[in-house]
Amino acid sequence: EVQLLESGGGLVQPGGSLRLSCAASGFTFSSYAMTWVRQAPGKGLEWVSEISESGTRADYADSVKGRFTISRDNSKNTVFLQMNSLRADDSAVYYCAKVKEAAGTDFWGRGTLVTVSS
Amino acid sequence: QPVLTQSSSASASLGSSVKLTCTLSSGHRSYIIAWHQQQPGKAPRYLMKLEDSGSYNKGSGVPDRFSGSSSGADRYLSISNLQSVDEADYYCETWAGNTRVFGGGTSLTVL
Repeated sequence: EVQLLESGGGLVQPGGSLRLSCAASGFTFSSYAMTWVRQAPGKGLEWVSEISESGTRADYADSVKGRFTISRDNSKNTVFLQMNSLRADDSAVYYCAKVKEAAGTDFWGRGTLVTVSS
Repeated sequence: QPVLTQSSSASASLGSSVKLTCTLSSGHRSYIIAWHQQQPGKAPRYLMKLEDSGSYNKGSGVPDRFSGSSSGADRYLSISNLQSVDEADYYCETWAGNTRVFGGGTSLTVL
């Protein structure tokens, strides 16, 4: 059974940092790209970042470029999102998701809440 | 990059059918999309991949009541025999090169 379990969310002050983790199980982690998608309260889904199977390629939404860094550890079946210089508009539930090539994000974690506030 | 347009809301009666639309922007009408369902307070759930030909592949456990179809730049999600559990937000998704895009979502009310 595929499982994705996010952690690391919480309350942080503007300008602060957080590191999100997503532990994967139930599939061959190193064979799939992984992505982060966020959802602000009462809003729609917003793609944040994606990393290739090997970790050699990383892409970012313009809204987080230069502030967020995605990485993965295939030996630990975990993907990370390092978030720096956080702003109030980064407040959202952050979902980790598995990417199936040419088929979209085919499995989602339950999400972790990030609140940026003083 | 592609843009996906969805109506903000839809409604249909219990036991009836509904067809939700996701429209691809100009120049992207051949793109594959995915449909996702998000029930209130829950994480999104993958429903299916849908090609421009109308061919679709559903995710594991998705009921037969859900189907997909395509016409030009439009991608459709059809739900038959609507149940109360189908009341949810529905999002379409596509991808191009180094970006992934979601539509604004359609909030479906089952009357």
